[in-house]
Amino acid sequence: EAGVAQSPRYKIIEKRQSVAFWCNPISGHATLYWYQQILGQGPKLLIQFQNNGVVDDSQLPKDRFSAERLKGVDSTLKIQPAKLEDSAVYLCASSRDVDTEAFFGQGTRLTVV
Amino acid sequence: AQKITQTQPGMFVQEKEAVTLDCTYDTSDQSYGLFWYKQPSSGEMIFLIYQGSYDEQNATEGRYSLNFQKARKSANLVISASQLGDSAMYFCAMRGKDQGGKLIFGQGTELSVKP
Repeated sequence: EAGVAQSPRYKIIEKRQSVAFWCNPISGHATLYWYQQILGQGPKLLIQFQNNGVVDDSQLPKDRFSAERLKGVDSTLKIQPAKLEDSAVYLCASSRDVDTEAFFGQGTRLTVV
Repeated sequence: AQKITQTQPGMFVQEKEAVTLDCTYDTSDQSYGLFWYKQPSSGEMIFLIYQGSYDEQNATEGRYSLNFQKARKSANLVISASQLGDSAMYFCAMRGKDQGGKLIFGQGTELSVKP
């Protein structure tokens, strides 16, 4: 079974530029999460999808961050415009449902300069 | 609101000894799950063990066991016979089923295994 795929692995952009991350969850997994992990901290939930609907986006900075999950499968997370404090690893995770463990992708390391 | 607290920023253990990583949680959900993940320096998040709030027995997975004390709202991870490869960050996480499966994490504990 293929794992959660994320791309790109690394991205360096200048502040005020835009960036997009892509996630392909494990096949059949209805729940998809995006997390932001700043160096030395635990992952912070940005948004949770159940199929293609948003369950929780209370900690998503909606003035600059947006996310969508097309047809309940792949998902993209966008930042526009980026700030220096957005430098972090962005992790995508998926689970079959809310009762099972979540599996993580390898993450995208974003550096904003 | 849900909250996970890991009070040990760093821990050291001698190789082949056992170590306990602490985790306490707070939730208003009646049904929830507790997870432990390992994050090596390479960055991937590896699932270790799961405990459901209604499970009567403590979960075990190989050298990992979860010491679940519901009344104290604690879910400590016990690693037996530590190995050098166990050196990593360890995160406790909780998913409240009453809130749509929101999965939140603690701040993590960095474990260093000494030879």
